[in-house]
This record gives sequence, structure tokens and C-alpha cells, in this order.
Amino acid sequence: KNQVEQSPQSLIILEGKNCTLQCNYTVSPFSNLRWYKQDTGRGPVSLTIMTFSENTKSNGRYTATLDADTKQSSLHITASQLSDSASYICVVREGGGNKLTFGTGTQLKVEL
Amino acid sequence: NAGVTQTPKFRVLKTGQSMTLLCAQDMNHEYMYWYRQDPGMGLRLIHYSVGEGTTAKGEVPDGYNVSRLKKQNFLLGLESAAPSQTSVYFCASSSPRGRDSPGANVLTFGAGSRLTVL
Repeated sequence: KNQVEQSPQSLIILEGKNCTLQCNYTVSPFSNLRWYKQDTGRGPVSLTIMTFSENTKSNGRYTATLDADTKQSSLHITASQLSDSASYICVVREGGGNKLTFGTGTQLKVEL
Repeated sequence: NAGVTQTPKFRVLKTGQSMTLLCAQDMNHEYMYWYRQDPGMGLRLIHYSVGEGTTAKGEVPDGYNVSRLKKQNFLLGLESAAPSQTSVYFCASSSPRGRDSPGANVLTFGAGSRLTVL
């Protein structure tokens, strides 16, 4: 069964610090991987997409990496801000179709 | 643009009651989806639609029905609500246009509808 596992489940960091969130998947065949940010009480919003040929992609203070060989992705947040407090969800699209597998998310809290 | 709008935002039902959640999108997206989100679980697909007048079952369709009579609207119905259907429901839409572009098939979500079944 295709799975997407995220770690840690939750994380608390101080404002200004960096953090890295992990996503491991078993989805095969693989098409792409997206990271979504979900603020409390809102729907998820796409941060970045990683395709098979991409290793690193940045979107402001967010940098995503993908290792398609080991089926791992990470999301690195630099110089965290209070507004980064949210759940970060990893979503993998299966190749050849539209099937998506969602991770359970990492709940990040940034404190003063 | 409003994007994806869900109504109602909150609802409390008694077991056995019926209700309909409405989703409306103004982006001319072909695809629409209903997901449920429960604590400790990833978003799970209930039903989806690839175009006006078409619907298909997702991962957890039992107890739900859907209709897509107009391209911009996707309705989710609960015929006889059960406590197990207490959840947060999200509607999303996407477009397959530009199939190889980063924007293709990105999901745009609504703000969610919190349903409690007593």
C-alpha cells in the first residue's frame, strides 16, 4: 500500500531558528511531491512541487529537497517567523494517474 | 477571486439527520474533490468529479453522495448522519491544463466545514 510518512509529528522552535521537516514515501510509480501549508482553521495551500528530476527548490524561506532514490523529501524553513506556525503536509502523486497520498502532517509551532 | 467557497462552515447534526455541504469555485476548474480530515490521519478522498455531470468514488465514499450539476458547484450529501462522520470536510478543485507545468493539478482548497454528529 502506498504510504507517506512525516516526521516529526510536532515541533516547537523559537522565532528566528531554522528547522527541517521530513517526508518518506513508498508511492510507486512516482510523479511528483508537493508540500502544503495548512494554517489553523484553513485549507492547505501549496508551497512547492518537486518532480522526479528536481533535487532542490526554494520558495522564499522555504527550501524543499527530493531524493527519488531513497524516496525522501525534506522541507527546510530558515529564520522562522511566528506566521510559520502551521501544519505542513507532504502529498505524493502517483505516476500515470491522479491518485494522491497525503501524509498526516507535521505541526510546527514557532514561539517568541 | 474568491477561489473555493464552502458552506456552511460549522454544523451540528443528530444521528440520522441529513444535510448537504456546498462547494463553489470560480476558477473554471474541471476537477473537484471532497476530502475529510480527522486527527492523526491524512486527508482522505471521499468523492471526486472530473467534469460537469460526472462523479466518482474515492477512498472513503460510504455514507456520502455527491452531485455536480454545474461546473462550478460540487455538493456533498449525508443521507443519514452517523457519529463516525464527525470530521472537518474540505472541498478542493484543480485543473489538468498545462499538464507538465508546476501549476498543473495543484489543489486549491476551501476553508473547511466542521461537522459534528451527536
